[in-house]
Amino acid sequence: NAGVTQTPKFQVLKTGQSMTLQCAQDMNHEYMSWYRQDPGMGLRLIHYSVGAGITDQGEVPNGYNVSRSTTEDFPLRLLSAAPSQTSVYFCASSSNQGARQPQHFGDGTRLSIL
Amino acid sequence: AQSVTQLGSHVSVSEGALVLLRCNYSSSVPPYLFWYVQYPNQGLQLLLKYTTGATLVKGINGFEAEFKKSETSFHLTKPSAHMSDAAEYFCAVIRGAGGTSYGKLTFGQGTILTVHP
Repeated sequence: NAGVTQTPKFQVLKTGQSMTLQCAQDMNHEYMSWYRQDPGMGLRLIHYSVGAGITDQGEVPNGYNVSRSTTEDFPLRLLSAAPSQTSVYFCASSSNQGARQPQHFGDGTRLSIL
Repeated sequence: AQSVTQLGSHVSVSEGALVLLRCNYSSSVPPYLFWYVQYPNQGLQLLLKYTTGATLVKGINGFEAEFKKSETSFHLTKPSAHMSDAAEYFCAVIRGAGGTSYGKLTFGQGTILTVHP
């Protein structure tokens, strides 16, 4: 079972560059989300989607865009990378059976912005 | 707004000793509570969750947690630590039921557990 797959696992960017972090899940989950993890701050929600074609902002959305054209994929775009976006990014998914359903996390993308 | 506070960013125990990781939350409505574990260079794995019903919940790897509404706490315990328990642990909350709460986890800052031989 693949679960939630994130690519790439590591990336180094220069300030001002753009890139897309990929996330795919094979569990037919309706709900998908992106978090960033920073030392001493836990994980913070960037954007989320409750289904194909529906996205919304989380706690820290500035500097990031998302789209959801299929159930399986939920890419995260950095439009103009900044050093403050250096972080570990996690994608997660869960079924639409209610808020009590646990989220399944990918292994993360470690991003450094120089 | 909801928040989660984990007391102690680092906890160190000896192998075989009791593990106690503290979590307090604030929420204006009954919350759903979760504990996740993260091993180095991996994603988060669900240990256990409380939604409704029995306030003492058992999870994987011998961990359990008790929801205490009066204390707004959800502390994680394990009677006897094992070397393989060394990891970072996160407490998280979802603000109760309802479609607008789907998957909107609010995490604590994390607690790194070290287990000494």
